[in-house]
Amino acid sequence: DSGVTQTPKHLITATGQRVTLRCSPRSGDLSVYWYQQSLDQGLQFLIQYYNGEERAKGNILERFSAQQFPDLHSELNLSSLELGDSALYFCASSGAGGETQYFGPGTRLLVL
Amino acid sequence: GQQLNQSPQSMFIQEGEDVSMNCTSSSIFNTWLWYKQDPGEGPVLLIALYKAGELTSNGRLTAQFGITRKDSFLNISASIPSDVGIYFCAGLPSGSARQLTFGSGTQLTVLP
Repeated sequence: DSGVTQTPKHLITATGQRVTLRCSPRSGDLSVYWYQQSLDQGLQFLIQYYNGEERAKGNILERFSAQQFPDLHSELNLSSLELGDSALYFCASSGAGGETQYFGPGTRLLVL
Repeated sequence: GQQLNQSPQSMFIQEGEDVSMNCTSSSIFNTWLWYKQDPGEGPVLLIALYKAGELTSNGRLTAQFGITRKDSFLNISASIPSDVGIYFCAGLPSGSARQLTFGSGTQLTVLP
């Protein structure tokens, strides 16, 4: 158990809909990262937050947004969903140095 | 951006054999991480390397941070069936944009 929690574990929705994925980092970690992993693909970095502020952006679509709250949990919002958004979405957290990231169990999103 | 070349892409080995996989980069990294991912699960951190030349073991796993800081390898000795999974390397560059770059993964199959 990495100490990072994610909910829900599975999510099935329809095209055009909007969903919110939630992540709680390990106790004491200030940084939260979001990744997307499509079938047979590697991990694609989406976005990083550090202590409530956006720190880095990767290949995140404009339809996607995220935020980190004062209690350090983070939410990833996916809107106008398309079939191609079906993937595993992982959250990771790290301490202030950011050297080592610990991953949550992921949310499997299926867009029908 | 940085790219990591991870090889081999897949491996089929007999139980009890040793395994070696590696990652190379065109850029210098300050940290190398090795993760294992089981199907549908989040990546689990195996070994973290922070210094060039560092050799670190975790049970039957040994990883090294290359002297040039552009490569790393992971060895698994005396493989067992539960070693099956996808192994990812990840590198963290220096600088303020501290986002992990992941290799494409090595799919390991252990045959009885």
